[in-house]
Amino acid sequence: GENVEQHPSTLSVQEGDSAVIKCTYSDSASNYFPWYKQELGKRPQLIIDIRSNVGEKKDQRIAVTLNKTAKHFSLHITETQPEDSAVYFCAALRSGGYQKVTFGTGTKLQVIP
Amino acid sequence: EAGVTQFPSHSVIEKGQTVTLRCDPISGHDNLYWYRRVMGKEIKFLLHFVKESKQDESGMPNNRFLAERTGGTYSTLKVQPAELEDSGVYFCASSQEYANEQYFGPGTRLTVT
Repeated sequence: GENVEQHPSTLSVQEGDSAVIKCTYSDSASNYFPWYKQELGKRPQLIIDIRSNVGEKKDQRIAVTLNKTAKHFSLHITETQPEDSAVYFCAALRSGGYQKVTFGTGTKLQVIP
Repeated sequence: EAGVTQFPSHSVIEKGQTVTLRCDPISGHDNLYWYRRVMGKEIKFLLHFVKESKQDESGMPNNRFLAERTGGTYSTLKVQPAELEDSGVYFCASSQEYANEQYFGPGTRLTVT
């Protein structure tokens, strides 16, 4: 089955700096990679995703990159703000609906004002 | 549109007791998933319903866990008898047929003492 590793487990950055979270996956058949953000006491919410036919995707201050050959994908947050503080989960699955999501272990991001 | 709801939000029970968690998916979502997050670890897949049928229950830890989705609407997850290692946050998620994006509920925090 799929195995997703995520690093770092915790990350502290100064407001305005960038944050990078990295994940690796094992199943070469995985082709859809969502990122979820879970704020304290709230539900995980999808913030961005990338498919295997794309190397990079950007949405305002958030970007994801994917290296299929190395089975790496990363989340980049620029100009961090205190409201970016949360736990971030990467995930991998084979798209098509009937597939379980395999999550990474989560990264607790703290943005220091 | 109402999101995924879960009940209760918290449950504290003693070892050996029974607990039933409930999930109401977004109306019209055929796919319903149960996940569990143990403190500091990944969000781990438990099982997946398509309507009322169990599509994949490979993540269920043992036969103390029983999930049902009678009628293909809400789902229940019963733990009987509960053990200390069952403590964690149980998430439910739902998605439309063949869709990748899963919408999460707020979770039920289960504490077994």
